[in-house]
Amino acid sequence: AQSVTQPDIHITVSEGASLELRCNYSYGATPYLFWYVQSPGQGLQLLLKYFSGDTLVQGIKGFEAEFKRSQSSFNLRKPSVHWSDAAEYFCAVGPMDTGRRALTFGSGTRLQVQP
Amino acid sequence: DVKVTQSSRYLVKRTGEKVFLECVQDMDHENMFWYRQDPGLGLRLIYFSYDVKMKEKGDIPEGYSVSREKKERFSLILESASTNQTSMYLCASSMAGTGSNYGYTFGSGTRLTVV
Repeated sequence: AQSVTQPDIHITVSEGASLELRCNYSYGATPYLFWYVQSPGQGLQLLLKYFSGDTLVQGIKGFEAEFKRSQSSFNLRKPSVHWSDAAEYFCAVGPMDTGRRALTFGSGTRLQVQP
Repeated sequence: DVKVTQSSRYLVKRTGEKVFLECVQDMDHENMFWYRQDPGLGLRLIYFSYDVKMKEKGDIPEGYSVSREKKERFSLILESASTNQTSMYLCASSMAGTGSNYGYTFGSGTRLTVV
């Protein structure tokens, strides 16, 4: 069964500092990988996704993520955090085959940004 | 703008009531999903549907059922609400197929409180 681990429940960074949110997945082959963001009181918005090809993917709002097969990781990064980035971030994994098409989500990382 | 609309933003129900949560999408998506979101647990899949009148259990289907009579509408039913079903419920939809069609569009969520 596929699974996702986000080891950091809560992270606090200063505005302007760099950010890295960790995500590790468990799956038998290369899965589809996603990062979503949830602002307070909102649904989830897709930040970026990885299917194949270049292992460094660019997303919206200046975010990027790198797929590392050897580490089963898909960490999210941003070089300079803005106060508006405070939100909860979810990593998700989905199978590439035509079986169960539903995504499995991690438990989330809540980001707090200090002025 | 494409949308997934959940009929209620906040809902308070009594223990033992039958509860209906409605979700409508206007994107002609084949796939629809119901997740519940709880602090520290992330999103957990309750049920999903690949097509009209088709449904599959997710990871936590106990105490829930679903209905999909029309392509655009996917209803989650709590047969007899209990306090442990107090949660945020998120509906999502996606296109069939693989690759770039894979990403979800989420609704804003329904926060259900069972008293």
